[in-house]
Amino acid sequence: GAVVSQHPSWVICKSGTSVKIECRSLDFQATTMFWYRQFPKQSLMLMATSNEGSKATYEQGVEKDKFLINHASLTLSTLTVTSAHPEDSSFYICSARRTGDNGNQPQHFGDGTRLSIL
Amino acid sequence: RKEVEQDPGPFNVPEGATVAFNCTYSNSASQSFFWYRQDCRKEPKLLMSVYSSGNEDGRFTAQLNRASQYISLLIRDSKLSDSATYLCVVNPRGSSASKIIFGSGTRLSIRP
Repeated sequence: GAVVSQHPSWVICKSGTSVKIECRSLDFQATTMFWYRQFPKQSLMLMATSNEGSKATYEQGVEKDKFLINHASLTLSTLTVTSAHPEDSSFYICSARRTGDNGNQPQHFGDGTRLSIL
Repeated sequence: RKEVEQDPGPFNVPEGATVAFNCTYSNSASQSFFWYRQDCRKEPKLLMSVYSSGNEDGRFTAQLNRASQYISLLIRDSKLSDSATYLCVVNPRGSSASKIIFGSGTRLSIRP
């Protein structure tokens, strides 16, 4: 159990394109999901906390108008990178916390999306 | 001071060796602790949770020292497949909205 699916796994597109990444919890409900970004040889950096039915909470330095997050259901959160540029190229990973978990259980990660902007 | 600190390594050890990593955390009220492993260009995968009394899973042993605010991971009889980056993860607060804090990771390379 506790499978998180992320789609697409790889995206290559031109500068200026907007890219949507989906994160789904397949066999559990997730009130809270998290979006991370990881540059090569660096650690995961939390971008935002996605809350079902409410606005996402963004980390300092992350532009909310650049990285649009929608969490419309208990099993789906989406991250849209708007007008992507080469500096947005990175590995984007989502994780989901099972509804009812008080934070003491491990999070479940999606497979990640490798975004390359030309 | 970072909230979670790890020795970045790399640790380069021969197959069969025992290797240990430490991770320190700054928030004494932290609630839960985990070790994840991350392979190159892959997502992190849970290796084991860390319990107050210490816990073991096969060749892996995790321990928590609340007084000194560190957790450790011991790998015995290391295999080539253990080569990865090991991430220390701390949950500072036990709430559903709390975000976990990742260490920067310790790179381990097992040589034949």
